[in-house]
Amino acid sequence: EPEVTQTPSHQVTQMGQEVILRCVPISNHLYFYWYRQILGQKVEFLVSFYNNEISEKSEIFDDQFSVERPDGSNFTLKIRSTKLEDSAMYFCASNSGTGVDTQYFGPGTRLTVL
Amino acid sequence: EDQVTQSPEALRLQEGESSSLNCSYTVSGLRGLFWYRQDPGKGPEFLFTLYSAGEEKEKERLKATLTKKESFLHITAPKPEDSATYLCALGFSGGYNKLIFGAGTRLAVHP
Repeated sequence: EPEVTQTPSHQVTQMGQEVILRCVPISNHLYFYWYRQILGQKVEFLVSFYNNEISEKSEIFDDQFSVERPDGSNFTLKIRSTKLEDSAMYFCASNSGTGVDTQYFGPGTRLTVL
Repeated sequence: EDQVTQSPEALRLQEGESSSLNCSYTVSGLRGLFWYRQDPGKGPEFLFTLYSAGEEKEKERLKATLTKKESFLHITAPKPEDSATYLCALGFSGGYNKLIFGAGTRLAVHP
């Protein structure tokens, strides 16, 4: 069964460093998303991406964040100058765009900022 | 303001003891209510999508129902492997947009 994959599973970085989180959405899906979940809190929407551009973003998704689909399979989230409060689980999700609204989530990347 | 509230926050059941989880919502332009299961340290795993009041979906020991104001996830004769956090999420008209998640219900099923 097709699934969303994410790498790395755990990323540790120093405050102020840049990190790139990688996702491979389900093949042939058209809509891509990033969410985050701070430990013990709700899953929060960050950004949605379609046709090589951002279609919606939350207040959390400020200039520190950027997304890119560098090729036909990968979808990345870049966090510039990480802060302690960026420590969280980051989930990638994808949707087929065929009229079914279900978003399928990856296993997540745990980001720890020291 | 669009809101989704789940109750209870935590639920402890004995194996075989059926119960229901609640997801109440206030939202304009609802397009789909979603149930996910989340195991510790893992991503949300899709369970059900409901679109219309009166709709029901079933999968093994789980059944999800939807009214105009809330959704229930009924668990019949649960087993220890059903222990997880169950998340409710709302989608919006326009399609393919963000999901807004509730805080979840942590379910523990003991033998």
